[in-house]
Amino acid sequence: GIQVEQSPPDLILQEGANSTLRCNFSDSVNNLQWFHQNPWGQLINLFYIPSGTKQNGRLSATTVATERYSLLYISSSQTTDSGVYFCAVIPRSGGSNYKLTFGKGTLLTVNP
Amino acid sequence: DAGITQSPRHKVTETGTPVTLRCHQTENHRYMYWYRQDPGHGLRLIHYSYGVKDTDKGEVSDGYSVSRSKTEDFLLTLESATSSQTSVYFCATSLNPPSGGAYNEQFFGPGTRLTVL
Repeated sequence: GIQVEQSPPDLILQEGANSTLRCNFSDSVNNLQWFHQNPWGQLINLFYIPSGTKQNGRLSATTVATERYSLLYISSSQTTDSGVYFCAVIPRSGGSNYKLTFGKGTLLTVNP
Repeated sequence: DAGITQSPRHKVTETGTPVTLRCHQTENHRYMYWYRQDPGHGLRLIHYSYGVKDTDKGEVSDGYSVSRSKTEDFLLTLESATSSQTSVYFCATSLNPPSGGAYNEQFFGPGTRLTVL
């Protein structure tokens, strides 16, 4: 099945710093989503971005489908940004094209 | 975001007892999914539904059954709970099918934490 690799696995920042999270995937995709799982366990949709660039406030994301990677940018980080960031994809073909395949996530800690 | 609720939010039960988790959505999404999240395994799909009374197995379906009698409700049943089913269960929905086309973004409910003693 499709492989999804996220980097870095852990990231510690001071409040106000910027960061870039990366997601590499091994096959063409129909769907790519970024989620934030907050410390209470809730999965929050950040971006639906199988290709192109989107921005939402301090967050933006870019997916280069032809090179099979996506980047999530967090600017001016805040303590409330802490949590785990997941990339998840649905492959364009193959037997697993009915489910999201998640990466292992990036654990972000923003210190005041 | 889709309006998705899950009940109960927390449950503790004993091995061998039946358990039913409920997912309710108000967005009229056709597709619904049950995932479980475990340390070291991430989120894995248990079952999914592509319409009323239409369901299929995911990658970790053993020990689970589902039912969908109305568009808005998707039930997950553990017929005889085991300790290996201790997990956090998430329901998700999407407007369109998971593969192909736009609007196949999946939205997740708040989760149910299940402990089987």
